[in-house]
Amino acid sequence: GAVVSQHPSWVICKSGTSVKIECRSLDFQATTMFWYRQFPKQSLMLMATSNEGSKATYEQGVEKDKFLINHASLTLSTLTVTSAHPEDSSFYICSARDQRWTFNQPQHFGDGTRLSIL
Amino acid sequence: AQTVTQSQPEMSVQEAETVTLSCTYDTSENNYYLFWYKQPPSRQMILVIRQEAYKQQNATENRFSVNFQKAAKSFSLKISDSQLGDTAMYFCAFMYNNNDMRFGAGTRLTVKP
Repeated sequence: GAVVSQHPSWVICKSGTSVKIECRSLDFQATTMFWYRQFPKQSLMLMATSNEGSKATYEQGVEKDKFLINHASLTLSTLTVTSAHPEDSSFYICSARDQRWTFNQPQHFGDGTRLSIL
Repeated sequence: AQTVTQSQPEMSVQEAETVTLSCTYDTSENNYYLFWYKQPPSRQMILVIRQEAYKQQNATENRFSVNFQKAAKSFSLKISDSQLGDTAMYFCAFMYNNNDMRFGAGTRLTVKP
């Protein structure tokens, strides 16, 4: 079945550094990728939607300059948290939509990245 | 804007019993899709069951079934013969056309032995 690989699964870094998270569709072409943020015991909150070759669409309240999203190919999207601070610590999940998506599997989710900023 | 509401933050059920998780949503769209996702402690998102709004027949997947009431904008999930492995967070989700998926706040289900 379709698989989405998200890397890294866990990252710990110092405050002020930038962190890049990758989301790859392994056996299908993803024209659209979604980035979610999930705080402990809470729901998935959509941060942005990225379409291959165009700028990402950010949800209200999400800082574009803070969370840089690049979707340069049909199989790869990246989320870069710039100048990360402790309040950016969270669980980040990507999902990818097959350009020939079906109702049976509208989105394929990555396994998530646990980001901890010290 | 579409909103999804899950009014039960936590629920528990005895093993082998049946439990129903509630979900309501708000939309002005007529054709849309509804889903239930399971998120176990591993935090993987697992699609449990799906429903197309234009279909009146309630979807079923083995022990999982839904009660879809379009007029009431309600989409509840029934888990029969609950198993310990059903312990997880359950999210109700809404999607229309090729747009993004919106999730409810989730219900934490614990199956007790």
